[in-house]
Amino acid sequence: AQKITQTQPGMFVQEKEAVTLDCTYDTSDPSYGLFWYKQPSSGEMIFLIYQGSYDQQNATEGRYSLNFQKARKSANLVISASQLGDSAMYFCAMREGQGGGFKTIFGAGTRLFVKA
Amino acid sequence: DAGVIQSPRHEVTEMGQEVTLRCKPISGHNSLFWYRQTMMRGLELLIYFNNNVPIDDSGMPEDRFSAKMPNASFSTLKIQPSEPRDSAVYFCASSSPINEQFFGPGTRLTVL
Repeated sequence: AQKITQTQPGMFVQEKEAVTLDCTYDTSDPSYGLFWYKQPSSGEMIFLIYQGSYDQQNATEGRYSLNFQKARKSANLVISASQLGDSAMYFCAMREGQGGGFKTIFGAGTRLFVKA
Repeated sequence: DAGVIQSPRHEVTEMGQEVTLRCKPISGHNSLFWYRQTMMRGLELLIYFNNNVPIDDSGMPEDRFSAKMPNASFSTLKIQPSEPRDSAVYFCASSSPINEQFFGPGTRLTVL
């Protein structure tokens, strides 16, 4: 069963504007973690941001913020003030259970194009 | 820290040959993950280890694939015999009990 869903195969955004990448998840475990990774054309996987299921506040890391809506089971990534270097593939991922030693499932990804 | 190290970075081989991919996790990380990425199937978890013990290998596609972690600083993913459909980028990632997974640079495998 698909547990992580990214419904936007591709997104365009104008440079300096904000963009939201959607992610919904499905789990019955009350303890889980949500992640976003960036994969530029060079191929490496870069960790961006993490949200724990018990965290009261939305996670933020610089220009990245995670819009966590627990009841809706969504964990959208918001990138503010887009830059050309933000053009990349973005993956949402979920880990069920606490700690780093648990299985992490990745979504299909969203390719973001930033226009000058 | 050098990060997760994978070797080789690129591998081109012929169908039927044995392929061994190597991974050195970040020192102190006790979990190690092997992923395969293709255009068609995206990023798939093949197997992962906790404290050198395989926990879940349900993603390993066939018996041709095997993985080992003989110690905390080394893991291998072996394909024997290799087939063209095994062509993909193979990532190794490691994590500690409290943090996210750190990915290696990947090995791009081409099976002719």
